[in-house]
Amino acid sequence: GQQLNQSPQSMFIQEGEDVSMNCTSSSIFNTWLWYKQDPGEGPVLLIALYKAGELTSNGRLTAQFGITRKDSFLNISASIPSDVGIYFCAGQRSGSNYKLTFGKGTLLTVNP
Amino acid sequence: GAGVSQSPSNKVTEKGKDVELRCDPISGHTALYWYRQRLGQGLEFLIYFQGNSAPDKSGLPSDRFSAERTGESVSTLTIQRTQQEDSAVYLCASSSRQGLITEAFFGQGTRLTVV
Repeated sequence: GQQLNQSPQSMFIQEGEDVSMNCTSSSIFNTWLWYKQDPGEGPVLLIALYKAGELTSNGRLTAQFGITRKDSFLNISASIPSDVGIYFCAGQRSGSNYKLTFGKGTLLTVNP
Repeated sequence: GAGVSQSPSNKVTEKGKDVELRCDPISGHTALYWYRQRLGQGLEFLIYFQGNSAPDKSGLPSDRFSAERTGESVSTLTIQRTQQEDSAVYLCASSSRQGLITEAFFGQGTRLTVV
């Protein structure tokens, strides 16, 4: 099935650094979501974005819904070791509340 | 239980065998979702159950895949005549409100390996 283009695939950073990752699509989404998945666990929703241009923060996380509705980014500031994991973007189309299209994920490693 | 429970956590099966995966949703959650996560890939939608309504099976990849749910309780995902490409983590999620996956909680998944 269709997947979103998520980049980068992986990142190795030092504790305290900021991180940015993004997703792009050739088609429009009405909602953008960002999830984090720890090893052996299911994904956990971090941030949901519902309006084009929306900028939302959740603690050290900030995400934006692109104006074109075809992209989104997630920033993590002042990274800490527990930020390690796989981050996924997901898009939701109108009339499809339960069907998400996911990116392939960004594997984040934080060196203490 | 406190969260979505899936069993088994790991399953290794021989090609051609049938497997059954189980999902126990959070008590009271009427909506239940199955997704598949292949190695290095994002999640793919498989099937959605909402109460006693007909499920949306549009994500099932072939007729070897089927899923059942009795009322608002346990769901089972069955894969017949397994193939190596069926190897993946199968994730189940549930939510209390209709179809709002943004309010859903995922289980830990069942890692299926077909050898």
